[in-house]
Amino acid sequence: GENVEQHPSTLSVQEGDSAVIKCTYSDSASNYFPWYKQELGKRPQLIIDIRSNVGEKKDQRIAVTLNKTAKHFSLHITETQPEDSAVYFCAASKELTGGGNKLTFGTGTQLKVEL
Amino acid sequence: EAGVTQFPSHSVIEKGQTVTLRCDPISGHDNLYWYRRVMGKEIKFLLHFVKESKQDESGMPNNRFLAERTGGTYSTLKVQPAELEDSGVYFCASSQLTGFSNIQYFGAGTRLSVL
Repeated sequence: GENVEQHPSTLSVQEGDSAVIKCTYSDSASNYFPWYKQELGKRPQLIIDIRSNVGEKKDQRIAVTLNKTAKHFSLHITETQPEDSAVYFCAASKELTGGGNKLTFGTGTQLKVEL
Repeated sequence: EAGVTQFPSHSVIEKGQTVTLRCDPISGHDNLYWYRRVMGKEIKFLLHFVKESKQDESGMPNNRFLAERTGGTYSTLKVQPAELEDSGVYFCASSQLTGFSNIQYFGAGTRLSVL
């Protein structure tokens, strides 16, 4: 089955700096890669996703890059703010017959943005 | 639009007891998923419903876990009898049954503590 590894497990940056979280996956058939942000006590929320037919996607301060050959993808957050502090999860999936997609998650990265 | 709701938010039970978790997906979402996060590790897939049918239950740990989705609306996950290692946060997610929009929306989770 699919295996996703995520690094680092914790990341501390100064406000205004950039943060990068990296993930690798094992199943070359995976074609959908979402990133979720979970603030303390709240639900995981999708912040950005990318499909295998695209190499990069941006949404304001957030970007995701995908390297299918190397089977790794990364989350980039620029100009970090205190409200970016949360646990970030990467995930990988492939389409299932009949629709839907089981997500395989990484172990999460605790990002702390310090003032 | 109401999000995915889960009940209870927290449950504390003793080993050997039974607990039933409930998930109400977003209205109109035919895909419903259960996931679990144990001891700060990765969020792991348990099973996937398409309407009332179990599409994939490969992640269910053992036969002490029973999931149902009668009528294809809300779902329940019963643990009977509960063991210490069942402690963790149980998440439910739902998505539409389409080929190009597989975004999974998560509930806030049920934190299960087995003492």
